[in-house]
Amino acid sequence: TQLLEQSPQFLSIQEGENLTVYCNSSSVFSSLQWYRQEPGEGPVLLVTVVTGGEVKKLKRLTFQFGDARKDSSLHITAAQPGDTGLYLCAGATDSWGKLQFGAGTQVVVTP
Amino acid sequence: NAGVTQTPKFQVLKTGQSMTLQCAQDMNHNSMYWYRQDPGMGLRLIYYSASEGTTDKGEVPNGYNVSRLNKREFSLRLESAAPSQTSVYFCASSEIDQPQHFGDGTRLSIL
Repeated sequence: TQLLEQSPQFLSIQEGENLTVYCNSSSVFSSLQWYRQEPGEGPVLLVTVVTGGEVKKLKRLTFQFGDARKDSSLHITAAQPGDTGLYLCAGATDSWGKLQFGAGTQVVVTP
Repeated sequence: NAGVTQTPKFQVLKTGQSMTLQCAQDMNHNSMYWYRQDPGMGLRLIYYSASEGTTDKGEVPNGYNVSRLNKREFSLRLESAAPSQTSVYFCASSEIDQPQHFGDGTRLSIL
């Protein structure tokens, strides 16, 4: 059973378009992290959000943590081929940070 | 800048064989983790070690054993490999309540 549900599972868009990936749960998390994974490599951290309602921006990527700390979204503006990858959300369920991962959203940006 | 190093990168086993996956980190982190990643399932925690000398079961521990050899090294052992254990295995490390750093994975096929 997946504690964190990510949607969509797969997203294919043209360069320059915008996209949003969602991460939802019925559980409350002390923090939530977003990772990007490329083929043949391990996940790499993009951002950590901690406070309900928090919004963080990383260049063209905007991350939001829900007010109740149960859900999060990742929005990419003007996507580029370099944004292609598997995007994973992960929620911390205890005080020292053991993570529950979503199944991931595969994003493909074509030129 | 090695970070987290996993060996081997690829392995093919026959059902019933045993093997140990090695993981070493050079960031002086206290916590280390083993995950498996299967299509559509995201990363699932097999075992973790909050600190040197301690290990605990994660979500999917059956069929695996671990050893925290010292602060740097955390190994995962399959005593009698089964086809259901075909997966990509990732090791990660972190400080408590800090983001995890991942290795590049071991791709394991069991025939």
